[in-house]
Amino acid sequence: DTGVSQDPRHKITKRGQNVTFRCDPISEHNRLYWYRQTLGQGPEFLTYFQNEAQLEKSRLLSDRFSAERPKGSFSTLEIQRTEQGDSAMYLCASSSDMGAYGYTFGSGTRLTVV
Amino acid sequence: QKEVEQDPGPLSVPEGAIVSLNCTYSNSAFQYFMWYRQYSRKGPELLMYTYSSGNKEDGRFTAQVDKSSKYISLFIRDSQPSDSATYLCAMTPIKAAGNKLTFGGGTRVLVKP
Repeated sequence: DTGVSQDPRHKITKRGQNVTFRCDPISEHNRLYWYRQTLGQGPEFLTYFQNEAQLEKSRLLSDRFSAERPKGSFSTLEIQRTEQGDSAMYLCASSSDMGAYGYTFGSGTRLTVV
Repeated sequence: QKEVEQDPGPLSVPEGAIVSLNCTYSNSAFQYFMWYRQYSRKGPELLMYTYSSGNKEDGRFTAQVDKSSKYISLFIRDSQPSDSATYLCAMTPIKAAGNKLTFGGGTRVLVKP
């Protein structure tokens, strides 16, 4: 197992375009999280899946954002009609049910909206 | 005011010195406390976690939690240039489903050879 994988690593898009990111968690982890991190800030929670169910969404996740985790495996995060304020690092993490001890992050997808 | 405050630094120390990092928080419900290390262009990596108040040691790292003061610390002994990174504190109320983490803004540390 190579940890949490995210694809792509970098994405540059024009304002107004749609983008989709993919996350492959550690295979035995049933929880999957998306966080957003802007320059000089700590990660901020966006949403969380337990298996295929999306159990919580932050108010940061506007209706332009949608996340899915079909079959409880990989997850996708889509941003529609991107805005310059969406420029950030999007981090995926996974954990087991005992995840209170912290979870494993991927290396992130860096989005730049021009 | 943010729930978790952390001095952004940068904190510059000579190799071999002790690095002292801390966070303050306002939510008294936080029970689990973690420290992550983040290298440039990488995701955060869990260093240590502690539950409630007390100390925990792991190699060159010592984490302290003082819930009465809402203050947590991380000490790095015998610092090495490879310790140069951003250090993030994170915390969560309970060991419950979801347990989303609230992070501080991170402190950038530079260990000079």
